[in-house]
Amino acid sequence: GEDVEQSLFLSVREGDSSVINCTYTDSSSTYLYWYKQEPGAGLQLLTYIFSNMDMKQDQRLTVLLNKKDKHLSLRIADTQTGDSAIYFCAESRTYKYIFGTGTRLKVLA
Amino acid sequence: NAGVTQTPKFRVLKTGQSMTLLCAQDMNHEYMYWYRQDPGMGLRLIHYSVGEGTTAKGEVPDGYNVSRLKKQNFLLGLESAAPSQTSVYFCASSPRAARGYEQYFGPGTRLTVT
Repeated sequence: GEDVEQSLFLSVREGDSSVINCTYTDSSSTYLYWYKQEPGAGLQLLTYIFSNMDMKQDQRLTVLLNKKDKHLSLRIADTQTGDSAIYFCAESRTYKYIFGTGTRLKVLA
Repeated sequence: NAGVTQTPKFRVLKTGQSMTLLCAQDMNHEYMYWYRQDPGMGLRLIHYSVGEGTTAKGEVPDGYNVSRLKKQNFLLGLESAAPSQTSVYFCASSPRAARGYEQYFGPGTRLTVT
């Protein structure tokens, strides 16, 4: 099927690291994305990774890709209350994107 | 640049009524998309367009129609609304094909069908 799977909820304490996981289905996907959705808003691109990479780091964000297991993760270091949002992973196909169910991250002060 | 805009922001319809959601982008993007977002189901693609005058079905097209008469606009129509179409609808655009290009999202339209 076309399912991209994520756990629905994650709760962490401010200052801790958050790890959001995703499994995707299409082994031919060349780009995988992480989007952030704040309350009442549309999605915004956080970062993406090309499939020939294992890891990508961008300030507090680290993306890990395990192509063999079709597993993608997003690590947020030093999580802040402003990071509270829904995080979506997505894989690209020829003309479209397939999104995961989204993980709601709650950061506790 | 306004980016991607959607009108209206909110709407309440009665079962059987019709309406059109308008998406506009000012970035000269070729590709445009309509999604619906439901709790626990993520974003599901309704229809998409790879250029002016073209449209294609996505994952959940039933009950919806679309048109792309102008490159900057992508309209989503509900001919006879049903309660199952209660959702938040997002429009997005991207410069070219999905691979490697970011999608830009509008702020969403919250639709309730009673």
